[in-house]
Amino acid sequence: GAVVSQHPSRVICKSGTSVKIECRSLDFQATTMFWYRQFPKQSLMLMATSNEGSKATYEQGVEKDKFLINHASLTLSTLTVTSAHPEDSSFYICSANGGASPTAQFFGPGTRLTVL
Amino acid sequence: AQSVSQHNHHVILSEAASLELGCNYSYGGTVNLFWYVQYPGQHLQLLLKYFSGDPLVKGIKGFEAEFIKSKFSFNLRKPSVQWSDTAEYFCAVNKNTGTASKLTFGTGTRLQVTL
Repeated sequence: GAVVSQHPSRVICKSGTSVKIECRSLDFQATTMFWYRQFPKQSLMLMATSNEGSKATYEQGVEKDKFLINHASLTLSTLTVTSAHPEDSSFYICSANGGASPTAQFFGPGTRLTVL
Repeated sequence: AQSVSQHNHHVILSEAASLELGCNYSYGGTVNLFWYVQYPGQHLQLLLKYFSGDPLVKGIKGFEAEFIKSKFSFNLRKPSVQWSDTAEYFCAVNKNTGTASKLTFGTGTRLQVTL
């Protein structure tokens, strides 16, 4: 149980385009989902907290207009990187709370974004 | 704000050696503590967690961690490592609110186990 999926696993796009990343909780309802960014050989940095049906809460320094988060249902949250630039290239990871252990987070496999 | 420190950035051990990875956190309130592992090319997996109760927590794959409140520490241990334990290990903490709260991660420790 407590499986989180992400799609796509890898995406390459041109500078200036937008990219949507999906995060799904497959076997539980996730009241809260989190989006992280991980640079090579570094730790995960929280970008935003997403609650179903409400606006996401962004961490300081994260542009909410650039990283659009939509938590449309209890099993799906999406992160859209708008007008992507090469510096947005990174590993984006989502996690979800819920199920039998509401205070533990379960992580998705991540999405590798490369912006050319 | 809470923060997490992992002082060992890169640890190299021979198989069968004992392991202890340090983790210290700073936060004045009640916290939940976690250790996650990230094997090469794979996603983060929960090794073990502490919410309350017995400060010695046993996790998967023979790992354990001890919460020492007076030292704000949650060190990870394993008596005898295996080559397959080669991975990145992350300590994390969040506030104990009873519901979901954001995790703060340490910078990670890369463990390399040699044959």
